[in-house]
Parts: sequence; C-alpha cells; structure tokens
Amino acid sequence: GQSLEQPSEVTAVEGAIVQINCTYQTSGFYGLSWYQQHDGGAPTFLSYNGLDGLEETGRFSSFLSRSDSYGYLLLQELQMKDSASYFCAVRAAGNKLTFGGGTRVLVKP
Amino acid sequence: EAQVTQNPRYLITVTGKKLTVTCSQNMNHEYMSWYRQDPGLGLRQIYYSMNVEVTDKGDVPEGYKVSRKEKRNFPLILESPSPNQTSLYFCASSPPGTGTQKLFFGSGTQLSVL
Repeated sequence: GQSLEQPSEVTAVEGAIVQINCTYQTSGFYGLSWYQQHDGGAPTFLSYNGLDGLEETGRFSSFLSRSDSYGYLLLQELQMKDSASYFCAVRAAGNKLTFGGGTRVLVKP
Repeated sequence: EAQVTQNPRYLITVTGKKLTVTCSQNMNHEYMSWYRQDPGLGLRQIYYSMNVEVTDKGDVPEGYKVSRKEKRNFPLILESPSPNQTSLYFCASSPPGTGTQKLFFGSGTQLSVL
C-alpha cells in the first residue's frame, strides 16, 4: 500500500518562509502533488512534480527527490490568507491517488 | 464557468436508507473520483473512473457504489448507509495530460448518518 508522512502543524509569522515536508512509501510512483484547503472549503491544486527538481509558482515552490522518496512545499513571504491545511498526494500504480494527513499552517501577524 | 458541482451540500439521513450524492463536471474531463475526508485522516479515495463505463476501487470502497454512464456525471451511491460513513465527501475531476494529479474539486457534501 501507500503511505505519506507530513507534519501535522506549523506556525509562522507573516513574511516568513515555511517548508512542509512529505515523505512517501508507494508501490510505483507517478508524481507528487500539493493541495491547499481553507477551513470549510474544498481542496485546490497548487503544484505537481513528476520529475526531480524544483517547480516554482509565484510565492509557492515544490520540490521532489524520487531517490529519497521525499518532497516539500515551500511557502514564501507568508500572508495571513495562507493559513490553511496543505496536503501532499502521490499517484501510485493503478491510478490510485493517496493523500497525506495534511499540515495545518497557522500564520500569525 | 468551469466547475465540479456536487449535490446536496448537506445531508442528514438514517441508517439503511439508500442515498445518492450527485457529481457533475462541465470541463469534459475523462478522469473523475470520489474522496471522503475525516479529521486527522486526510482525504481517502473511494472510487475513481478513467472514462465512461470504466470505474475502479480506491482505498476505501466498502459500502459505496459508483456509476459512470456519461462523461460529465459520476454519482456516489450508498445502498445502506451506516454511521461510520458520516463524513465530508468530495468529488473531483482531472484534465488529460496531468497524470490525474491536477484535481478540480467540488464544494463537498457533509453527510451525517444517524
């Protein structure tokens, strides 16, 4: 089966940088993606890494190392609106998509 | 507007009473899937569909059925709901070329089974 580990909670101040790590164990691997979910809302897609390296989208970047079964989401110049839960997800063999338990990010003024 | 539409938004029912949660997308996506979200457990995939008439089990399919008769619709059916199916449910779709990883989610259905 698949399993993903990510920290349960991270707290930081506005303007800071936060890194959310995600380690995974899967049978087969087809990529790592990240989602943001505000309280009471639906998850929204942030980024996808199919190959090793860094993907940058504005203030958010995502990194993947397939040899280490590890990735991270980097949130830069934190804003209050970034307070949310962040989920990593892995697509393994058979087109199943497995999500991590989520990291709650709390941004303080 | 491109979107995934789920109905109803909230549903309270009793054990054993069959129910259907509808999901429709207007983006012509081939891939659709259902998830349940429980506190501390993240999102768990129930079923997914790669195309019309093609469905497969996710990680937690027990107690659920799905059908994909048309590309745009992917209803979730609970034939005999039980209290342990009380959860927040999300439907999602994904465009081709994204490895089914770029998901567009519906607004969610909060289901309570008494």
